[in-house]
Amino acid sequence: AQKITQTQPGMFVQEKEAVTLDCTYDTSDPSYGLFWYKQPSSGEMIFLIYQGSYDQQNATEGRYSLNFQKARKSANLVISASQLGDSAMYFCAMREGMNRDDKIIFGKGTRLHILP
Amino acid sequence: GAGVSQSPRYKVAKRGQDVALRCDPISGHVSLFWYQQALGQGPEFLTYFQNEAQLDKSGLPSDRFFAERPEGSVSTLKIQRTQQEDSAVYLCASSLGPGRDYGYTFGSGTRLTVV
Repeated sequence: AQKITQTQPGMFVQEKEAVTLDCTYDTSDPSYGLFWYKQPSSGEMIFLIYQGSYDQQNATEGRYSLNFQKARKSANLVISASQLGDSAMYFCAMREGMNRDDKIIFGKGTRLHILP
Repeated sequence: GAGVSQSPRYKVAKRGQDVALRCDPISGHVSLFWYQQALGQGPEFLTYFQNEAQLDKSGLPSDRFFAERPEGSVSTLKIQRTQQEDSAVYLCASSLGPGRDYGYTFGSGTRLTVV
C-alpha cells in the first residue's frame, strides 16, 4: 500500500495566487514526521517544511505552511502569494519514527506550474 | 564543503558496463543515504550509512548494486553490469546523525542513462 499519496500529478496556478498541494499518508506508528521538498529542474531536493506528529500547531516557514489534519492523515502544503520561481516538482514525504536516521519515504510528486 | 556534492553530474553507460557514482557529504555529517529516482517518480530509498557502517541496505534492487563508505566520509555507489532499468537519477543525502532533526540535505544527483 502507498505510504504517501499525492493525487495531483500537475497543477497550473496564476502568479500571486495561493496554491494547495494535497498529500495523504498512511502509518500505524504514533511517532512520525512529515516533510515537503521542492525539486526544481536542476534536480536538487530542497527541504521546505517539517511537521512532527506530536506538534500541536501547523508548521509555517515564510510563504509555506503545512495544513496538518492528523485524524484525516492529511498534510497539505499551502504556498501563499505564488511566484514564478515556485514552478517545480513538490514531494510530500514521511519518516516513521522520530530519529533523524529513520529513512524518509517519498510520494510521487506534484508538478506545479506558475503562470505569469 | 558547503553542500552535498555528487559526481559525475551525468553518466552514459553501455548496457553491461560497470559504473561508480560518488557522493561527498557535508563535512561532519555522520549519516549518508542513497536514493534512486526514476523519471517522473519520487525518490526511492536504497541504502544508509552511519559513519563507515552500512546499517540498512534493504532498498538495493539487486546484488549488482553495491555501496561503500570506507572512511566514513565519501561514499561510492557501484552498479555492476548495468541494465536499462538502472537508468535514473541517483541522489545522495547526508545528515548530522542520530537524534531528532527535520530532514537531510540532498545533493544534485547523478543522472545515469544506460544505452
